[in-house]
Amino acid sequence: TEVTQTPKHLVMGMTNKKSLKCEQHMGHRAMYWYKQKAKKPPELMFVYSYEKLSINESVPSRFSPECPNSSLLNLHLHALQPEDSALYLCASSQGTVNQETQYFGPGTRLLVL
Amino acid sequence: GNSVTQMEGPVTLSEEAFLTINCTYTATGYPSLFWYVQYPGEGLQLLLKATKADDKGSNKGFEATYRKETTSFHLEKGSVQVSDSAVYFCALTPYSNTGKLIFGQGTTLQVKP
Repeated sequence: TEVTQTPKHLVMGMTNKKSLKCEQHMGHRAMYWYKQKAKKPPELMFVYSYEKLSINESVPSRFSPECPNSSLLNLHLHALQPEDSALYLCASSQGTVNQETQYFGPGTRLLVL
Repeated sequence: GNSVTQMEGPVTLSEEAFLTINCTYTATGYPSLFWYVQYPGEGLQLLLKATKADDKGSNKGFEATYRKETTSFHLEKGSVQVSDSAVYFCALTPYSNTGKLIFGQGTTLQVKP
């Protein structure tokens, strides 16, 4: 049960464009992006189910998710603000039925200058 | 609405002490309940789960029982080790098949030798 995320760390300026990548090879059909600030629980950003965006938790448009195939999930970042600095976690699960377990990656620690 | 309330930390214990971290929830229907653990600088790992009333989840010496009558899912361990020092999150997925995972605020556990 492994979810991988790259890069581990990312420093970007407010005018940069960067992407976070998440990959799983467990055959899971649901993938998630979360944002976690220090000493807080993760906050859900997006849910993909069968490669289609099913939930967007009112995330600003400077965050743009993409699911090219069932194993890959990207998060494209553009014109971020310093308050967007956080740990970004990806997760996956077999499906979105409520008994399913979400498996988390190690996260990308993002610093916006 | 759906919510999770955890006891506030930090919790500081000596090695081999008994651990209880309280967790109560509010949800309609039959949620699934989870405990996740986050070690410093890492992502979240599933510790245990329970999907119906009176189920007991257990893993690595940790246990929690799904109590519908008290809407609780308290985490216990008989003898903690220094390596158990981490942040523990109680979470639920509502009976709605959206994949949403709702977290408590997290409880920091520090175990001293």
